Amino acid sequence: AQTVTQSQPEMSVQEAETVTLSCTYDTSESDYYLFWYKQPPSRQMILVIRQEAYKQQNATENRFSVNFQKAAKSFSLKISDSQLGDAAMYFCAYRSGGGATNKLIFGTGTLLAVQP
Amino acid sequence: GAVVSQHPSWVICKSGTSVKIECRSLDFQATTMFWYRQFPKQSLMLMATSNEGSKATYEQGVEKDKFLINHASLTLSTLTVTSAHPEDSSFYICSARDGGRPDVGEQYFGPGTRLTVT
Repeated sequence: AQTVTQSQPEMSVQEAETVTLSCTYDTSESDYYLFWYKQPPSRQMILVIRQEAYKQQNATENRFSVNFQKAAKSFSLKISDSQLGDAAMYFCAYRSGGGATNKLIFGTGTLLAVQP
Repeated sequence: GAVVSQHPSWVICKSGTSVKIECRSLDFQATTMFWYRQFPKQSLMLMATSNEGSKATYEQGVEKDKFLINHASLTLSTLTVTSAHPEDSSFYICSARDGGRPDVGEQYFGPGTRLTVT
């Protein structure tokens, strides 16, 4: 079975600085997707970034980028120029490729605080 | 695009009663919807997967007779908590996959429903 591990329950970063959130996963599959979701205090889940496993290039979305190390099964999220609005719970998630009903497997989350 | 709504956003009910939560995809057809439960400061726990027109698939340990899921149309899934008890109090979140974009792996999440059972 696939598992997702986030080893940092809480992180803190100064405004305008850079922070990296860690995520590792375990799978024997070759076709899968990886995601980072943000859950602010409103509790609305927001997709931050998505990575297809077959793509070697790391995904980027403005200030958010990932370091996808397929062999090491690592998928870290880097937030550059941190803003107060980045404060939230961040969840790493895995999904098998193919199959419309394939479910998301979430990590336990990392609570990010942004200090002004 | 890709908006999912939930109703109600917050509901309080008495122990022993039933409560229904609706999940709607507003601008796409959702062939598959998912229901999650989240306790404070914890991750999302998948309860069940529902496909339009067929029975839901429940995760191990989830009582299907207590958490009734109906996915009667391509835009609506409902979760009914029957004979609610205080331990059912939680935050319930639905998500949906866009049936018109099967190549995209992401799910679109609703804003969640807070259930309080007194």
